[in-house]
Amino acid sequence: GENVEQHPSTLSVQEGDSAVIKCTYSDSASNYFPWYKQELGKRPQLIIDIRSNVGEKKDQRIAVTLNKTAKHFSLHITETQPEDSAVYFCAAPKAAGNKLTFGGGTRVLVKP
Amino acid sequence: NAGVTQTPKFQVLKTGQSMTLQCAQDMNHNSMYWYRQDPGMGLRLIYYSASEGTTDKGEVPNGYNVSRLNKREFSLRLESAAPSQTSVYFCASSEAFMGGNTIYFGEGSWLTVV
Repeated sequence: GENVEQHPSTLSVQEGDSAVIKCTYSDSASNYFPWYKQELGKRPQLIIDIRSNVGEKKDQRIAVTLNKTAKHFSLHITETQPEDSAVYFCAAPKAAGNKLTFGGGTRVLVKP
Repeated sequence: NAGVTQTPKFQVLKTGQSMTLQCAQDMNHNSMYWYRQDPGMGLRLIYYSASEGTTDKGEVPNGYNVSRLNKREFSLRLESAAPSQTSVYFCASSEAFMGGNTIYFGEGSWLTVV
């Protein structure tokens, strides 16, 4: 099945700095790559996603890049703020379905 | 519009007891899912229902059963709870099963098996 590896598992950054989280996947047929943010004690919520026909997508301070050849995709958060502190999960579907396989998560701490 | 609602929010079970987690969505979504979340292991798919009337196993189905009661409701049953089933359980739904459809999660159910 699909394997999704996510690094790093924890990330501490100073407020205002950038944060980058990287995920690799194994199924070359995967075509949709969402990122979810989960605040402490809350549900995961989609923050951005990218499809395999584009290489980059931006939404204000967050961006996702995709390298299909290398089978990896990354989340970039610029100008980090304390409210960005959360656990972030990447995911990839097995082939065309919506059976998402999630990475192990990255705990991001933004220090004021 | 409540989205995905699941109950109970917290439950403590003794080993061997059974229980059912209830889930309902009011977004007219076709697909529903049950995930479990353990520390450091992300979210793992237990069972899913791509459309009303169908259910299929996910990554970790052992020890669980599901019922897609109707389009709105998808329940998860633990027949004989084990300590290894201590976890946070999330119900989720999406408009369709095809990749690219946003998955919306419920608030989670914290289950402890002692």
